[in-house]
Amino acid sequence: KQEVTQIPAALSVPEGENLVLNCSFTDSAIYNLQWFRQDPGKGLTSLLLIQSSQREQTSGRLNASLDKSSGRSTLYIAASQPGDSATYLCAVFRNTGNQFYFGTGTSLTVIP
Amino acid sequence: ETGVTQTPRHLVMGMTNKKSLKCEQHLGHNAMYWYKQSAKKPLELMFVYNFKEQTENNSVPSRFSPECPNSSHLFLHLHTLQPEDSALYLCASSQANYGYTFGSGTRLTVV
Repeated sequence: KQEVTQIPAALSVPEGENLVLNCSFTDSAIYNLQWFRQDPGKGLTSLLLIQSSQREQTSGRLNASLDKSSGRSTLYIAASQPGDSATYLCAVFRNTGNQFYFGTGTSLTVIP
Repeated sequence: ETGVTQTPRHLVMGMTNKKSLKCEQHLGHNAMYWYKQSAKKPLELMFVYNFKEQTENNSVPSRFSPECPNSSHLFLHLHTLQPEDSALYLCASSQANYGYTFGSGTRLTVV
C-alpha cells in the first residue's frame, strides 16, 4: 500500500522568505504526483501536476520537483506572501488502482 | 468555480433525517470520487466510480449510499447518521490519471 508523508506538519515563516515543503512516498511505481492547496473549510485547489516522466513543474512562484527513485517531491514557494497561508497537500497516483493517496498536509502560515 | 460543483455547501441534519449530497462535473472526466475530511485527519477515500460503475468502496458504513446515474453526476445519500459523521465531504473527478479536480465541499453537521 502506498503511504505518503509530509514534513513538516506545520510551518511559520515571515513574509518574503523562500520555503520548501516536502513529500515522500513509499511506492515509486506512480503515474503522477499532484500538489494541492486547501484554505480552511474549503475544497482543494490544484497547484501543480507532475507526470512520472517529468522532473519538475513550475507555475508562477511555485516550483515542484519529483524524484521517483528516492520517493520524494518538494514544493518550493518563492517570496512567500500572507495569501500563501493555507494547508498544502501532496497526492500520488499509483500505477495500479484508480485513486490518489494523500499526505497529511503541511499547514503554512506566512506572517506579514 | 473549479468545474466540479457540490450542493449544498452547508447541511445540518438530525440523526433520523435522510438527505442527499450532489456533485456535478462537466469536464468530460470519466471518474468521480467521494472523500471525507474530518478535523485534524487526512482525507479518507469513500467511493470511486469509473464510467458510472463503482470500483471502490472503502469499507464505508451502509448509512452512506452513493449513486452515479451518469458520468457527470454523483450523489451521496445519507440516512441515520451519527454525530461523528460530521465532516467536510469532498467530491472530485479525474480523467484517466491526469490529476484530480475537486469541488468546494459540503460541510455536514449531524445533530
